[in-house]
Amino acid sequence: QKEVEQNSGPLSVPEGAIASLNCTYSDRGSQSFFWYRQYSGKSPELIMSIYSNGDKEDGRFTAQLNKASQYVSLLIRDSQPSDSATYLCAVSGAGGTSYGKLTFGQGTILTVHP
Amino acid sequence: GAVVSQHPSWVICKSGTSVKIECRSLDFQATTMFWYRQFPKQSLMLMATSNEGSKATYEQGVEKDKFLINHASLTLSTLTVTSAHPEDSSFYICSAGGGMAVQYFGAGTRLSVL
Repeated sequence: QKEVEQNSGPLSVPEGAIASLNCTYSDRGSQSFFWYRQYSGKSPELIMSIYSNGDKEDGRFTAQLNKASQYVSLLIRDSQPSDSATYLCAVSGAGGTSYGKLTFGQGTILTVHP
Repeated sequence: GAVVSQHPSWVICKSGTSVKIECRSLDFQATTMFWYRQFPKQSLMLMATSNEGSKATYEQGVEKDKFLINHASLTLSTLTVTSAHPEDSSFYICSAGGGMAVQYFGAGTRLSVL
């Protein structure tokens, strides 16, 4: 069974700090990796996508992918109270009927306190 | 990102009635759309994959006769919850598949069955 596991939360950081969110996945053939942010009562919003090993930066967000270790992470620099939300790691299957289908982790609740 | 419109945002119905939820991709043509269900404090669970012009593919354990999916055009997919019961109360979210396995989510529909 394909699984996506996220580090257990909740995670609490002070405003201005770096928040680090981690995710591991079991399907070695996975090709596409995503981080979504979900505010309470709302639907997920795409923050980052990453497809190749290494780092990808977008503003205060950096996604890191290591396919050999089957590990993907999200760093949020200069965390703001508005970053408080549940962060979902999602992984797309390798191909065939699995391609395009996302498997989500259980989510990590992040709280940024002033 | 792409815009996906989902209606209604909230519906309350009596047990035994049917409810239809619409999902529209407003600024791109989505060959594939996805339907998810999310219970409180849980992650998203994929219910089915909807392909334009063909029958939907349901995930294991999802009753296809209860959750009817129609994807008649490249911009519209509908989910009908037939003979809804209180246990069907949940947050239903659609998404439209973009390139590179990215999914863009609608705002979600909160269904309450009395």
